[in-house]
Amino acid sequence: ILNVEQSPQSLHVQEGDSTNFTCSFPSSNFYALHWYRWETAKSPEALFVMTLNGDEKKKGRISATLNTKEGYSYLYIKGSQPEDSATYLCAYQTGANNLFFGTGTRLTVIP
Amino acid sequence: DAGVTQSPTHLIKTRGQQVTLRCSPKSGHDTVSWYQQALGQGPQFIFQYYEEEERQRGNFPDRFSGHQFPNYSSELNVNALLLGDSALYLCASRTQGALDIQYFGAGTRLSVL
Repeated sequence: ILNVEQSPQSLHVQEGDSTNFTCSFPSSNFYALHWYRWETAKSPEALFVMTLNGDEKKKGRISATLNTKEGYSYLYIKGSQPEDSATYLCAYQTGANNLFFGTGTRLTVIP
Repeated sequence: DAGVTQSPTHLIKTRGQQVTLRCSPKSGHDTVSWYQQALGQGPQFIFQYYEEEERQRGNFPDRFSGHQFPNYSSELNVNALLLGDSALYLCASRTQGALDIQYFGAGTRLSVL
């Protein structure tokens, strides 16, 4: 069983604040790192798939970085909005294509 | 274009019963994976189906079995239900490319009493 850890477990920020969370994963047998955004009662929505050390991806106000050598990824949200409130999951992919998920960071943006 | 659809949305069963959950993949996808999300945990991989065969399996007992049909839809069966099987069951589909994004359904919430 691969250990994927996310921190913090939950986070409350004011509208307009920028925030970031961390995903830690094993640095061995790495293939890809996925980030998902999951709103309550909806399907998890893929944000990014990253494969290369030093990768940076951006989608609107959300961006992510990847360090495969030390086994971590950061997700950043700039100028948080209430609609950003969701659980953010990261998943580590091995060469076997299985996804190993963390427990998520639950973000609440207060208007 | 419909995304991944799962049925039913919610289900209540008693211990010892059997349950079947269903998943229709996103159009154009041929690979279906099933995940279990217990309360307070991240989704855990159960198994993956491609070309109507189980290709990979996570750390789940044989009580968990599945099937994939020629139209790529899939079923997850759980026999001899235990209280601990209560969870959200997610289905995800993709094409066979290794880096293809997995698209998830909204899940089936199973409660075992």
